[in-house]
Amino acid sequence: SQQGEEDPQALSIQEGENATMNCSYKTSINNLQWYRQNSGRGLVHLILIRSNEREKHSGRLRVTLDTSKKSSSLLITASRAADTASYFCATDAGNMLTFGGGTRLMVKP
Amino acid sequence: NAGVTQTPKFQVLKTGQSMTLQCAQDMNHEYMSWYRQDPGMGLRLIHYSVGAGITDQGEVPNGYNVSRSTTEDFPLRLLSAAPSQTSVYFCASSSHGQNYGYTFGSGTRLTVV
Repeated sequence: SQQGEEDPQALSIQEGENATMNCSYKTSINNLQWYRQNSGRGLVHLILIRSNEREKHSGRLRVTLDTSKKSSSLLITASRAADTASYFCATDAGNMLTFGGGTRLMVKP
Repeated sequence: NAGVTQTPKFQVLKTGQSMTLQCAQDMNHEYMSWYRQDPGMGLRLIHYSVGAGITDQGEVPNGYNVSRSTTEDFPLRLLSAAPSQTSVYFCASSSHGQNYGYTFGSGTRLTVV
């Protein structure tokens, strides 16, 4: 079974709007990571947040982590058509990185 | 710096055939992993390695073998291909494993007929 579950499974927004994706997980983690996958391509690492961190920023990305609720959120601000992709959260609980099912984001120009 | 290189990019196998998916990284990463991704789903871990000579099973190891004789290479072998193994396979590597992001290859799309 997968450790992380993303919500929503699909999201469609207009260019310029913000996109928020949520991830819930089941067990204790060392860190949580977010990846982007463009159609037919490999995954690209976006951002990593450690278990002792609550919020992290990278450009237009903002990630929060609530270990008490075992949940994380990824916020993409001022979205662009080029942000259209699938986004996956992944939890690192040791030697294994476990992925959720992903959120498919479509940004309409 | 090539990163993670996977070969082949596409492969069609007949049921019962065996083959090896190649994965090589040039970043001197200790950790390497194999995942499979089925349509509309996330990635599931097949096998992983924390260093040369050390391998372990992931979530879905049945039907697959791995070896790690060098730091650079982590081949995945399908012993007797089955239609259920039709999938896209990704290799990934990471430095130290914890608190570092993973670098992924571009994938191998495998179809078993």
